[in-house]
Amino acid sequence: GDSVTQMEGPVTLSEEAFLTINCTYTATGYPSLFWYVQYPGEGLQLLLKATKADDKGSNKGFEATYRKETTSFHLEKGSVQVSDSAVYFCALSRTGTASKLTFGTGTRLQVTL
Amino acid sequence: DAGITQSPRHKVTETGTPVTLRCHQTENHRYMYWYRQDPGHGLRLIHYSYGVKDTDKGEVSDGYSVSRSKTEDFLLTLESATSSQTSVYFCAISDTSGDNEQFFGPGTRLTVL
Repeated sequence: GDSVTQMEGPVTLSEEAFLTINCTYTATGYPSLFWYVQYPGEGLQLLLKATKADDKGSNKGFEATYRKETTSFHLEKGSVQVSDSAVYFCALSRTGTASKLTFGTGTRLQVTL
Repeated sequence: DAGITQSPRHKVTETGTPVTLRCHQTENHRYMYWYRQDPGHGLRLIHYSYGVKDTDKGEVSDGYSVSRSKTEDFLLTLESATSSQTSVYFCAISDTSGDNEQFFGPGTRLTVL
């Protein structure tokens, strides 16, 4: 079945540091890939997505590139801020599956001054 | 923000009692989903709906039932709550199948004593 593997957290960075959160997936066919973010006490919100190989999703300074050859969708940001502290989830959805999402376990990011 | 509300937001109940959680949307989206969020597991799909009275099971459906009698409401019922069902429950909606974004509600924290 489908699965998503994320790097274990928590990740602790100083403000303005470079961020990478690794995500790899297993799925048949050509899934769409997503990064969701969850701020404390809130629901999840979409951060970015990519729907085909080599697509790059980007939003709020975050980027991720759909790499089919390595089945990866790593999240990056060049300079993190304290306000980026949250839990980040990688997820996939396959066409024809009613948009059902398969999530990774989440990676907590803590950014300090 | 997508118009999704969940009620109640917090609930404490005892083992063996029935519990119903409600998800209400004002977006007229076709698809609705119930997930549970647990440490180390990310979000896992319980049940989903692809239309009024059309529902199907997700990966962790045992012990849960759902109903959707109108587009805007999706109910999740625990017929006889157990301590293993202590979790945070999220409702989500999506407009179409495929790579479309899911919008999440604020969550319901359920504690079963």
